Amino acid sequence: DTGVSQDPRHKITKRGQNVTFRCDPISEHNRLYWYRQTLGQGPEFLTYFQNEAQLEKSRLLSDRFSAERPKGSFSTLEIQRTEQGDSAMYLCASSRWTTVEETQYFGPGTRLLVL
Amino acid sequence: DQQVKQNSPSLSVQEGRISILNCDYTNSMFDYFLWYKKYPAEGPTFLISISSIKDKNEDGRFTVFLNKSAKHLSLHIVPSQPGDSAVYFCAGESSGDKLTFGTGTRLAVRP
Repeated sequence: DTGVSQDPRHKITKRGQNVTFRCDPISEHNRLYWYRQTLGQGPEFLTYFQNEAQLEKSRLLSDRFSAERPKGSFSTLEIQRTEQGDSAMYLCASSRWTTVEETQYFGPGTRLLVL
Repeated sequence: DQQVKQNSPSLSVQEGRISILNCDYTNSMFDYFLWYKKYPAEGPTFLISISSIKDKNEDGRFTVFLNKSAKHLSLHIVPSQPGDSAVYFCAGESSGDKLTFGTGTRLAVRP
């Protein structure tokens, strides 16, 4: 069984650098979500895709953030010109959406530290 | 605007006893609710869910209760085991859309 996988698991970068994270969803899951979690908070929605179409972006997703899912399979999340406030756990989730009541399954996350 | 609230940041329970974790929500559009369990440095693991048309859903030691009129749900774990020690998040979903999470409750089960 292959669940949701994320790479890398940890990333340390200097302020101003660009970083890119990858998420591989569960096979045949048509929806893919990105969330961000900071200390003491629950995960917060960033954006999601249905197949290759990006359907919604949160206002948390500034113009320094971009996400893609070019072939409707894996997705990448890029952060340009990182800031210390970007330090967080970035979580990816996928689901097999039909109409309602979809259950999202999460990956292990990528922990980003911006120095 | 905190649409999902978990007002107890922590809970300590003796092994074998019942753990009750509570969650309140304000968004009337939520039609599906989920509980996730999270260990440090790992992603959330799906535990149990409930549709808004039901008031109870049970899966082994885990039962979720939903009181729509009070906009309140709770997760019961019976009997509690040390391996249940983790942070528990409740989340609301509207029409198969993004999840809105609470801030979590840290459960410690004492042997």
